[in-house]
Amino acid sequence: DAGVTQSPTHLIKTRGQQVTLRCSPKSGHDTVSWYQQALGQGPQFIFQYYEEEERQRGNFPDRFSGHQFPNYSSELNVNALLLGDSALYLCASSPGQGWGYTFGSGTRLTVV
Amino acid sequence: RKEVEQDPGPFNVPEGATVAFNCTYSNSASQSFFWYRQDCRKEPKLLMSVYSSGNEDGRFTAQLNRASQYISLLIRDSKLSDSATYLCVVTIDNNDMRFGAGTRLTVKP
Repeated sequence: DAGVTQSPTHLIKTRGQQVTLRCSPKSGHDTVSWYQQALGQGPQFIFQYYEEEERQRGNFPDRFSGHQFPNYSSELNVNALLLGDSALYLCASSPGQGWGYTFGSGTRLTVV
Repeated sequence: RKEVEQDPGPFNVPEGATVAFNCTYSNSASQSFFWYRQDCRKEPKLLMSVYSSGNEDGRFTAQLNRASQYISLLIRDSKLSDSATYLCVVTIDNNDMRFGAGTRLTVKP
């Protein structure tokens, strides 16, 4: 039973560029949440997708957008990258309402 | 005020020591509470849920005080393998989890 898979594992981008990160949820999970974790900080909630719609959003600018596909996989897009966007981006899936979150191993994004 | 605040740490303790972590949350509507463990450069993993009645899992004991909006984690008989960052987590309406900044624990021989 595959857990949450994220791709790519590492990424280096130049300031101003755009990036797309991908996440496949754990089998049986239909909800995907995205988090940004800067070095030395806890994960910060970006947004959550359920039934292909953004259900909840944290305090992140519109440069951060997402999508969920019919197979429940999800993408996180970040436009006009800033140096401060450098972080570990974590995807977590869950079975709809309630807890039981499973995290992927993350994508480490470096903006230079 | 941050939604979830934790002891700044780091905690450096010898093997066999007992160590306690504290956490406070600001939203009285918070519904669920957890402790997650995160190893260096790895993803967070669920350590245990926290219930109002308190709960224990081996050497780990978690407590919740809703009136004070306070959560704690007690680790007894610390092992080298307990070295990690411990994240306090609350959920508001089951739609998203809010994390504290984490407390780093190093257990030394």
